[in-house]
Amino acid sequence: AQKVTQAQTEISVVEKEDVTLDCVYETRDTTYYLFWYKQPPSGELVFLIRRNSFDEQNEISGRYSWNFQKSTSSFNFTITASQVVDSAVYFCALSEASTDKLIFGTGTRLQVFP
Amino acid sequence: DSGVTQTPKHLITATGQRVTLRCSPRSGDLSVYWYQQSLDQGLQFLIHYYNGEERAKGNILERFSAQQFPDLHSELNLSSLELGDSALYFCASSVALGGSASGNTIYFGEGSWLTVV
Repeated sequence: AQKVTQAQTEISVVEKEDVTLDCVYETRDTTYYLFWYKQPPSGELVFLIRRNSFDEQNEISGRYSWNFQKSTSSFNFTITASQVVDSAVYFCALSEASTDKLIFGTGTRLQVFP
Repeated sequence: DSGVTQTPKHLITATGQRVTLRCSPRSGDLSVYWYQQSLDQGLQFLIHYYNGEERAKGNILERFSAQQFPDLHSELNLSSLELGDSALYFCASSVALGGSASGNTIYFGEGSWLTVV
């Protein structure tokens, strides 16, 4: 069965600190896709990144970086030099090639204090 | 702005009533998805339409129904509403049939906040 676990319910940091959000997934498929979404206080879900199971290259986008490790079934998200605007709930999601739906984790609420 | 438009943004209604949530997908997207976000269940997939046809169902109650029209907009109908139906309902769209299963990005709208009192 497919499952996404975000063990960190809430993280609080002070501005400029680095923070890593953990995501562990379970799937039996060899082809699958992993996603991160951001949900700011206004409520919308903002797409951040998509990764397929065949591409284990880490990715960096500005202050954001993602570490995908199949050996540990993890797809962690790091924000470098966090800012107050990063405060949001972050969701990790999994989609298997065999089913066309996103399975979301329970989310991690990140609070960045000035 | 994801390009997915949802109306209304907020809705308060009484138990037993019926409401319709509307979604316009991104230009060119043929797939429309509905998700429900509630405090106790988290984000859950409800239903998927592609080019007017139902493609997959998730945890959607029988009191709920959806459709996708020829112009590709979609509506989610919620009837006999209960307090537990209070949630944020998201519409999402993707360009292709495969959606997330083919690695396509699913773009979400801003959601419709439903409060049942």
